[in-house]
This record gives sequence, C-alpha cells and structure tokens, in this order.
Amino acid sequence: NAGVTQTPKFRVLKTGQSMTLLCAQDMNHEYMYWYRQDPGMGLRLIHYSVGEGTTAKGEVPDGYNVSRLKKQNFLLGLESAAPSQTSVYFCASSYQDAYEQYFGPGTRLTVT
Amino acid sequence: QQPVQSPQAVILREGEDAVINCSSSKALYSVHWYRQKHGEAPVFLMILLKGGEQKGHEKISASFNEKKQQSSLYLTASQLSYSGTYFCGTAPLGNEKLTFGTGTRLTIIP
Repeated sequence: NAGVTQTPKFRVLKTGQSMTLLCAQDMNHEYMYWYRQDPGMGLRLIHYSVGEGTTAKGEVPDGYNVSRLKKQNFLLGLESAAPSQTSVYFCASSYQDAYEQYFGPGTRLTVT
Repeated sequence: QQPVQSPQAVILREGEDAVINCSSSKALYSVHWYRQKHGEAPVFLMILLKGGEQKGHEKISASFNEKKQQSSLYLTASQLSYSGTYFCGTAPLGNEKLTFGTGTRLTIIP
C-alpha cells in the first residue's frame, strides 16, 4: 500500500498562474482533507470531502477550489496564485470523521 | 478556534520526561496527538475520546480532562527519536472538524 501520495513535491509559480495539486489514497477512505502549514501556524484546514462527489469549506478556503470526482483522488486548485499562498500543503485521509488521519508527504509551493 | 499548546518548545536530555499540554475553549468530543519530524508529514500517535480512558503505547501516554477541555501528552524516559514537533488536534462536540494547535517543538539531546 502506498498510503497517501501527493504530486508534485515542489513547485514554483509566478503570481497569477494557476496549478492543481493531486492527492491519491489507496485505503478506500471516505474522508479526505487539504491542509496548509505555515511557520508558527500549525495545520489549517482548507477544504475537505466526506465522499466521492462532495466537498466542503474548511477554515481557510479563499483562493482555492477542490474536486473529488473519484473516491481515491482529491484535487486542490489555485486559479490565480498569490504570494500569500506560499506554504507547504498536506493532504490527509481518514476512514471516518474524527478518526486517525493519514497524511501525504506534502507539496512545497512557492509563489513569487 | 485553535487549541492552545504549551510549552511552545522544550529541550530535554535523553532519559528525561516531558509533558505537553493542549487546551480548548470548546467542549470536546476527541483529542488527537500527532508528531512531525522536520521535512516530513505528521504521523498519528493516539486519539482520546470523550468518556474514554487514558491511552498510551510504550513510553508515550496521554490523558483527557473533559471537564476542563484539556489534554496532556506524557513522554517518559525520552529517546532521541522522540524529537520533533507535537501537534494536538481537537474535535469539538457538534460534528465540527479537527482543528490543530500551533505545535510544541521537542528537542532531545544526548
């Protein structure tokens, strides 16, 4: 089992560019999450999904969109990147809400 | 609203004990503990549920005081491998999502 994988691992964008981060899990989990981690801020929830075809906003959703077309994949999109979106992005999945979350290795995004 | 962790950082010698605290302003359903090593993903340690017992494995254990909405993580006879940043995550009653604290950086020196 690969667990939770994320692509890409690193990315540099110019302000205004767009990109999509891909998260995949092979544990048949219903719940998937996107977090951002900034120094001194901990992990903050961007968006989450409680099953295929569903998405919901988390604590810091502005500037991001998500889609969950397949149960195993959860995509995070930035339509027009801003320097404030420079961060490390983690995807996670869990069997049920409030259960143990399994995290991917992270994507380090820099917006210049 | 983020839970508050204390201390923010602690340095210990190998073999010493540590306690990390986590408190919330909301009534809690569960508390999660994760450890993150530098440059890596957070890794799950344990969950404490409302009405549940104190949990632990090996030399790492935790408690959950429901009345005070507080949890503490206990690391006994710390090892070098315990170094990292520890995060608590709290899930309030009412089906709200897990919210993580800002972390406690633990450094173990030989």
